[in-house]
Amino acid sequence: SQQGEEDPQALSIQEGENATMNCSYKTSINNLQWYRQNSGRGLVHLILIRSNEREKHSGRLRVTLDTSKKSSSLLITASRAADTASYFCATVPPSTAGNKLTFGGGTRVLVKP
Amino acid sequence: EPEVTQTPSHQVTQMGQEVILRCVPISNHLYFYWYRQILGQKVEFLVSFYNNEISEKSEIFDDQFSVERPDGSNFTLKIRSTKLEDSAMYFCASSEERVMNTGELFFGEGSRLTVL
Repeated sequence: SQQGEEDPQALSIQEGENATMNCSYKTSINNLQWYRQNSGRGLVHLILIRSNEREKHSGRLRVTLDTSKKSSSLLITASRAADTASYFCATVPPSTAGNKLTFGGGTRVLVKP
Repeated sequence: EPEVTQTPSHQVTQMGQEVILRCVPISNHLYFYWYRQILGQKVEFLVSFYNNEISEKSEIFDDQFSVERPDGSNFTLKIRSTKLEDSAMYFCASSEERVMNTGELFFGEGSRLTVL
């Protein structure tokens, strides 16, 4: 079973609109991370939210975490064409040495100019 | 800004051949990783490495795979006898701390492996 799954799988919006994507996970976590991947490139870390945090901001990014629902959301405000990418949430499954970051399937975001 | 570098960027090999993918992690990082991404699919964990030994590995990381830190800077992934299904983009990553704590991964740009 997947530790993190993003929803929706794909999202198409106009420049200037907000983009929201969700991540659900199955087990307890210490933190949840969001990454971005431009097509054919390496992943880039966006933001980390700890299990005792509920909301975190970084520039135009806003991440929420609801541990009771085992879910997180990533909001990109005032999107730009350059935000076109795939976005992944990632968590560390329990019963491991704590060094296995597992990624969900990602949300492909297309921002149309 | 420090970065993770990977070579080669693209390698084409014949089935059954050995392949070595190379990575230079960020110099003060202690934890190293290999991931793979088959075209259009999710990023899959292969292995993590710390203190000169494998920390964790996935079911994908079978006896055909091995990792090594041959010197103070390089981190390599070896596939002994490649199969068609090994065709993928392989990403190296490193982190300063354990990811369970606050470690964030820094990824290289990937090595695309094509097995014919």
